[in-house]
Amino acid sequence: GAGVSQTPSNKVTEKGKYVELRCDPISGHTALYWYRQSLGQGPEFLIYFQGTGAADDSGLPNDRFFAVRPEGSVSTLKIQRTERGDSAVYLCASSILYTDTQYFGPGTRLTVL
Amino acid sequence: AQSVAQPEDQVNVAEGNPLTVKCTYSVSGNPYLFWYVQYPNRGLQFLLKYITGDNLVKGSYGFEAEFNKSQTSFHLKKPSALVSDSALYFCAVSPDQTGANNLFFGTGTRLTVIP
Repeated sequence: GAGVSQTPSNKVTEKGKYVELRCDPISGHTALYWYRQSLGQGPEFLIYFQGTGAADDSGLPNDRFFAVRPEGSVSTLKIQRTERGDSAVYLCASSILYTDTQYFGPGTRLTVL
Repeated sequence: AQSVAQPEDQVNVAEGNPLTVKCTYSVSGNPYLFWYVQYPNRGLQFLLKYITGDNLVKGSYGFEAEFNKSQTSFHLKKPSALVSDSALYFCAVSPDQTGANNLFFGTGTRLTVIP
């Protein structure tokens, strides 16, 4: 079946701009996660949704980062006033329940010039 | 605080030889432990996990891992390496005793299998 999909696969933007990254989880998965992977590092947790609500947003680095999941399926990660340090691969994962294995999408590579 | 250490940035092994990729962790309570593999320009793929029960866990593609509570380790192993196993491997831990939500990842180990 279809896995987790993320769009766009690549995004280049200028410092100070606003960006939106989209994640389509596996159908039927109630839990959705966002991670950020910088070059040479492992993924770092950003935020986790159970259904429509953010159950844990402790990993968001600052208030420029925000994520929504209004209908409990697709999620959008929003970054305001982008900075060069935001450049990374943003990974989305989903699981059937929050207790289950997380399955990852291919990621969106964000480059802030 | 929880953390994962993968002490080797790079592991090289000859094709057909056994391979080991090391992982140690620090977490309060009983950990949930995972291994993921990342191929170039592709997302993380789940290999195996330890939740409870038998300390030896078998996963995809012939990989296995052994949970050692006293040494706080969860090393990944395979009896006979293939060239196609060359990839970046990540160990991860969930500190939540009630489930596997946010994962903490190690920095990764690049495995190269030499023909």
